[in-house]
Amino acid sequence: ILNVEQSPQSLHVQEGDSTNFTCSFPSSNFYALHWYRWETAKSPEALFVMTLNGDEKKKGRISATLNTKEGYSYLYIKGSQPEDSATYLCAFMRRTGNQFYFGTGTSLTVIP
Amino acid sequence: GAGVSQTPSNKVTEKGKYVELRCDPISGHTALYWYRQSLGQGPEFLIYFQGTGAADDSGLPNDRFFAVRPEGSVSTLKIQRTERGDSAVYLCASSLFVAGGYNEQFFGPGTRLTVL
Repeated sequence: ILNVEQSPQSLHVQEGDSTNFTCSFPSSNFYALHWYRWETAKSPEALFVMTLNGDEKKKGRISATLNTKEGYSYLYIKGSQPEDSATYLCAFMRRTGNQFYFGTGTSLTVIP
Repeated sequence: GAGVSQTPSNKVTEKGKYVELRCDPISGHTALYWYRQSLGQGPEFLIYFQGTGAADDSGLPNDRFFAVRPEGSVSTLKIQRTERGDSAVYLCASSLFVAGGYNEQFFGPGTRLTVL
């Protein structure tokens, strides 16, 4: 069984606060790490695909970093807004095979 | 353009019944995946199709679960003799397939199955 873990499981922050979550994954046989944002009753929306150790990606107020040697990725949200409320999933892909291995997600609630 | 669609969005059934869940992938995507998210867990891989054939069905939990993709586009996930433990959100994803390259998966909104 391949273990992908996310923490915290849930998070409540005030509007305007900055926050971050962690995804840890096996460091061997690494191919790619994805972050998805998933709102209830909608399709998971791809935020970032990260493949290289040391990668840093940014989209607006959201950014992510990747450390493949130690097996973790951080997702940061700067100045959280109520519309950022969603579940954030990370998904690990190995060099062999085509499937994703998902973490359990971090549920973010931004309080206005 | 149209994304991945799944029908129905919600399905309530009784224990022991048969259900079918449908996935319409993005046009031209040759790869199709089914995942299942049970309460409190992340999505778990069920099966992967490349064209019409199941390239990897190692995630199907038992022989009550079966999936088809007869024409290489629409796929149906079939569950026989449903059990309460089958209650979950069933996600479908599709991707182009480029041999040796990275293939991004695009997800549908899921079907929420409730077995009473």
